[in-house]
Amino acid sequence: NAGVMQNPRHLVRRRGQEARLRCSPMKGHSHVYWYRQLPEEGLKFMVYLQKENIIDESGMPKERFSAEFPKEGPSILRIQQVVRGDSAAYFCASSPPILNNEQFFGPGTRLTVL
Amino acid sequence: DQQVKQNSPSLSVQEGRISILNCDYTNSMFDYFLWYKKYPAEGPTFLISISSIKDKNEDGRFTVFLNKSAKHLSLHIVPSQPGDSAVYFCAASVLTGGGNKLTFGTGTQLKVEL
Repeated sequence: NAGVMQNPRHLVRRRGQEARLRCSPMKGHSHVYWYRQLPEEGLKFMVYLQKENIIDESGMPKERFSAEFPKEGPSILRIQQVVRGDSAAYFCASSPPILNNEQFFGPGTRLTVL
Repeated sequence: DQQVKQNSPSLSVQEGRISILNCDYTNSMFDYFLWYKKYPAEGPTFLISISSIKDKNEDGRFTVFLNKSAKHLSLHIVPSQPGDSAVYFCAASVLTGGGNKLTFGTGTQLKVEL
C-alpha cells in the first residue's frame, strides 16, 4: 500500500513564475491537507480538501495561492507569481473518510525561489 | 499567536535513558493531540496520539501524558535508542467540528548519544 506521494520533490522557480505541487493521497483516503514549513519553524496548516470541495482554507494566503482536489487525479497546490518568501517545504497529508485525525504525510516538495 | 509551544529546541540524551519531550498549548478547545517524528528531507511520521478524555496513552517505548488543567503534554521514550534521533513535533486539533486541521509546535531536536 503506497503512502502519500508528492511530486516533484524539489522545485526551483524564478520570481514571477508559477509553481504547481502535486499530491496523491494514500489509497482509500479522501481527505487531503496541505501544510507549509518555513525554515526553522513548525508546519503551518494551509488548506483542507475533500474530493471536489475545499473544506477549510483558513491558512491559505489570500492572493496567489490556490488548491484543488478534483474527482480524478491528484490534489494540486498552485502558487502564482512566486516570490522569495514562498521558499519552503510544502507537505501534503491524507486521512481516511472516517474522521480520526491521524494524518499521514508525504515526503514534501521543497520549493526554492531564486 | 503560537497556540502550541515546544519550548526546548533541542534535547540530548544517552542511549538507554529516558527522553522526555514537552509541549504546552493555549487553546482550550483542543481535544486531540498527536506526536510526529521527522527526519531531514522526509515528511513527518505519526508516532502516538491521545484524546482529551484520557491522561495517558502507551505504545511500546512511547508514552504520552496529558495534563488538561495545565494544558501540557509530554512524550516519554524509554529506553532511548540512537535511531530515535530526529525532530519531534507536537500537534493539536479540535476533533469535533474543528475541520481536522493540525496545529503544530516548532519541534524539538532529539539527539540520542551512544
